[in-house]
Amino acid sequence: DAGVIQSPRHEVTEMGQEVTLRCKPISGHNSLFWYRQTMMRGLELLIYFNNNVPIDDSGMPEDRFSAKMPNASFSTLKIQPSEPRDSAVYFCASSTRTGRGNYGYTFGSGTRLTVV
Amino acid sequence: AQTVTQSQPEMSVQEAETVTLSCTYDTSESDYYLFWYKQPPSRQMILVIRQEAYKQQNATENRFSVNFQKAAKSFSLKISDSQLGDAAMYFCAYLETYNTDKLIFGTGTRLQVFP
Repeated sequence: DAGVIQSPRHEVTEMGQEVTLRCKPISGHNSLFWYRQTMMRGLELLIYFNNNVPIDDSGMPEDRFSAKMPNASFSTLKIQPSEPRDSAVYFCASSTRTGRGNYGYTFGSGTRLTVV
Repeated sequence: AQTVTQSQPEMSVQEAETVTLSCTYDTSESDYYLFWYKQPPSRQMILVIRQEAYKQQNATENRFSVNFQKAAKSFSLKISDSQLGDAAMYFCAYLETYNTDKLIFGTGTRLQVFP
């Protein structure tokens, strides 16, 4: 398996522009997570899906952020309009429960977003 | 709400020596998982070791082992025979077993390894 695949790896955009981050989870994993990492706030969970359904979006900072999971193999995180304070590394992770003692939680390589 | 605390922002160790990173957590649950993740400069989050709360035996993965003290809600990571490649940020994380799939992270410890 290729692991969790995120694109792009780096994104530089101007303030006010729309940004879309993409994630392909590991095949067979039924939960998908979006995290944001900054120096000030560390790793924050933004939203997670279970079986393509959003379960908890309490970490989404504001209405400018939205996430979708149209099918089991693809998810997007969109920021519109983007602001400089959105600059961070955004991680996608996927997981599955396959019985006690065999719980997998795998991260993608992250997207470094810079908003100028 | 569950919280994870890493009280050591930075640690350093000499190559081939042993270092212990501390982690404490707060929960009212009795069944959960605990993890240590490593984040090198490449920023990839790499799972180092996993512990299930119902298991009394401390988890071990090669040079990495944990000291899990359930009553004290403590979960420290010991790295033996430290190598230059161990230099990274280390994050402790907590996961409830049944009610949620949310992984809760500590603030991390930056480990430096000196030759």
